[in-house]
Amino acid sequence: GAGVSQSPSNKVTEKGKDVELRCDPISGHTALYWYRQSLGQGLEFLIYFQGNSAPDKSGLPSDRFSAERTGGSVSTLTIQRTQQEDSAVYLCASSLKLSAVGNTEAFFGQGTRLTVV
Amino acid sequence: AQTVTQSQPEMSVQEAETVTLSCTYDTSESDYYLFWYKQPPSRQMILVIRQEAYKQQNATENRFSVNFQKAAKSFSLKISDSQLGDAAMYFCAYSNYGQNFVFGPGTRLSVLP
Repeated sequence: GAGVSQSPSNKVTEKGKDVELRCDPISGHTALYWYRQSLGQGLEFLIYFQGNSAPDKSGLPSDRFSAERTGGSVSTLTIQRTQQEDSAVYLCASSLKLSAVGNTEAFFGQGTRLTVV
Repeated sequence: AQTVTQSQPEMSVQEAETVTLSCTYDTSESDYYLFWYKQPPSRQMILVIRQEAYKQQNATENRFSVNFQKAAKSFSLKISDSQLGDAAMYFCAYSNYGQNFVFGPGTRLSVLP
């Protein structure tokens, strides 16, 4: 696709249920990022995938959160046993890594708004 | 760990006037990138401008320009001839080789007609 695609756009779930959020990065982009944005707040880093390297999971807030990236492309962020404080917009981004100078700018999807009731 | 600070939670500017948004960062690296992103109410993050740290010349994109002071670790964004469509949240961001992007807390810009 032309840009980063995220699905669903909106998700309402009951407290305690598991949810899966999907991200399709720009074709050819080796780096993929997940961020969380609470209402009116900044971006909180969650996890970063770069090629075949082990992902940087240092931003995941608890062991209820996990993510995988299959075949170096599509990524799924899973939140188990959702809590009300998980309500936020989850943003995915991808970028192209240039070996000499690092990553180019991050291109963002439109996010998934998660509401836990 | 790198950090990015934006000390102005909110700013306002009259249409057609100029406004400057502040950003400071902390890093021990010498090579890195700095970015300004815009997030309108649609929540789509849009790149406004990018600066490579090894370049001394300040980046410019039409009405948007930066004042990059590497020694002071300062990276401010100047918007000239402000337009109503410039109203948005603006995020300053840092990235260096092999690492994720670190974002500041954002500045909400209002443009007054």
